[in-house]
Amino acid sequence: GAVVSQHPSWVICKSGTSVKIECRSLDFQATTMFWYRQFPKQSLMLMATSNEGSKATYEQGVEKDKFLINHASLTLSTLTVTSAHPEDSSFYICSARDPLAGDFYEQYFGPGTRLTVT
Amino acid sequence: GQNIDQPTEMTATEGAIVQINCTYQTSGFNGLFWYQQHAGEAPTFLSYNVLDGLEEKGRFSSFLSRSKGYSYLLLKELQMKDSASYLCAGMDSNYQLIWGAGTKLIIKP
Repeated sequence: GAVVSQHPSWVICKSGTSVKIECRSLDFQATTMFWYRQFPKQSLMLMATSNEGSKATYEQGVEKDKFLINHASLTLSTLTVTSAHPEDSSFYICSARDPLAGDFYEQYFGPGTRLTVT
Repeated sequence: GQNIDQPTEMTATEGAIVQINCTYQTSGFNGLFWYQQHAGEAPTFLSYNVLDGLEEKGRFSSFLSRSKGYSYLLLKELQMKDSASYLCAGMDSNYQLIWGAGTKLIIKP
């Protein structure tokens, strides 16, 4: 099956610094990747849809200048949390669609990145 | 608006059967997904329904009624490892997933 990796799996950073999270599709080319955030005991919240070679589409309420998304290749999307604050501490998960895998638009999830801002 | 409703928490006994219900309202409809998520891990795909009826896959089955905006996930022969959150997600006309808050399933011996 399709495999998506994320790096790092966890990161601790100081308030005011920036953190970059990578999402890679390992065995397929993903034209579309998704970035989610999940707070404890809550469901996934879609932050943005990342399309290769174009600007990401952000969901309402998500600051695009704070959460920078780059999808420079068909196998890599990055999320940079700029000037992180403690309230940005969360579980960040990416997912990707394999356009060749079938016709029901299944999303393959990465293992997630736990960000803690101190 | 778009909305997915599912119970917050359910408890069942090892070896038993449990049914997790989900009702949905989406702008257009391109299918209903169920995912399993263990604590601290990413969701893993369980099932997809786009037509009415029951889809069976081993111990897990998923049912869809489009006219009622309703789905359920049926888990048989429960095992302790089935303790997890189960996420219902509807896909809208833009092929975006609308997620429920998840149902935490607790399995007791």
